[in-house]
Amino acid sequence: GAGVSQSPRYKVAKRGQDVALRCDPISGHVSLFWYQQALGQGPEFLTYFQNEAQLDKSGLPSDRFFAERPEGSVSTLKIQRTQQEDSAVYLCASSARRAGSQETQYFGPGTRLLVL
Amino acid sequence: RKEVEQDPGPFNVPEGATVAFNCTYSNSASQSFFWYRQDCRKEPKLLMSVYSSGNEDGRFTAQLNRASQYISLLIRDSKLSDSATYLCVVNRLYNFNKFYFGSGTKLNVKP
Repeated sequence: GAGVSQSPRYKVAKRGQDVALRCDPISGHVSLFWYQQALGQGPEFLTYFQNEAQLDKSGLPSDRFFAERPEGSVSTLKIQRTQQEDSAVYLCASSARRAGSQETQYFGPGTRLLVL
Repeated sequence: RKEVEQDPGPFNVPEGATVAFNCTYSNSASQSFFWYRQDCRKEPKLLMSVYSSGNEDGRFTAQLNRASQYISLLIRDSKLSDSATYLCVVNRLYNFNKFYFGSGTKLNVKP
């Protein structure tokens, strides 16, 4: 069956450029998460959606980062005016139900963003 | 202080060895615990959840020590295919949507 997919897989952006990263979660999954993973580090939580509602955006590092999930399925993470410190792998994960104590998250392959 | 701390390793062990990793967490309100595995340049995948009473899945055993705020992962009879980075993950009571990942412990199993 189809897992979580993300596109593009690789993105090179010039500093100051806007980028949009797409996530297609597993069909029917209620919860969707975005993470940022820097080299040699674990994933850092960015934001969480339950269906179309963005319930937690406490991990977004600045107001240049914006995420949406308007119809409760596909999600887009947008980064405006990219900076070199935004270079990282952006991971999307989904889970079947609303976030619960033992809910398994399924990760996509990530988008590797390099800002020059 | 980081929410979750792990020894980055690498742990270099021969095939067939037993190896154990620990992970410490800083917030006593942490409620749920997991081990994820991440292969090089791949996405994390759930290895196992960690239950209060400890749990086992084949060659893998996970333990939780709430008093000392650490969790452990024991791998018996290591295989070459166990080579990966192992990520410790926690989340808190009343904030189930926010998961805190450690930086990972790298394991290299050698023939």
